Amino acid sequence: DVKVTQSSRYLVKRTGEKVFLECVQDMDHENMFWYRQDPGLGLRLIYFSYDVKMKEKGDIPEGYSVSREKKERFSLILESASTNQTSMYLCASSFWADSNQPQHFGDGTRLSIL
Amino acid sequence: SQQGEEDPQALSIQEGENATMNCSYKTSINNLQWYRQNSGRGLVHLILIRSNEREKHSGRLRVTLDTSKKSSSLLITASRAADTASYFCATFTSGTYKYIFGTGTRLKVLA
Repeated sequence: DVKVTQSSRYLVKRTGEKVFLECVQDMDHENMFWYRQDPGLGLRLIYFSYDVKMKEKGDIPEGYSVSREKKERFSLILESASTNQTSMYLCASSFWADSNQPQHFGDGTRLSIL
Repeated sequence: SQQGEEDPQALSIQEGENATMNCSYKTSINNLQWYRQNSGRGLVHLILIRSNEREKHSGRLRVTLDTSKKSSSLLITASRAADTASYFCATFTSGTYKYIFGTGTRLKVLA
């Protein structure tokens, strides 16, 4: 089975801090994604990556950056955390996007910014 | 913006009944997928239907796709308390790399 592991299930940080969320997948997937999930808004794509060192902005990239130095690891960085970034963050991975493959999700990180 | 819109937003049924959820989308797609999310957890893929397919089955799940109406439905037959979860549709369009998710249907199955 594909396993996508997010480093923390729950995280509490303070405003202005630099926050790192880590995601690792074990299936050699090319694509990796970061979403945030808020009540009533569904999943919104922050960034995705289709190869090592490659990244593309999603729908809501402001205030975030990402890093993909190795194929299995995709990191989301909150440069200077703010209270409006309190949310559930979900990482996902998939094979090359044009192959009609589903996404595989981690269990999420519930991040609170105080 | 969210392409997929699920209907209803919330659904409450008795164990053993069937549950039907609908999804509408706006643009041409290559496939449509349904996911389940248990409270506080990640999403789990249930079923994928390609744009040239009209119906697909997997266990107690039946998915239909009508590309002319840009809509899909998910039917869960003989529901169980363990089916209580949120259900999301997601569409994928070739060349975009992106899966676009709807806002979900919250299903509650009462024992």
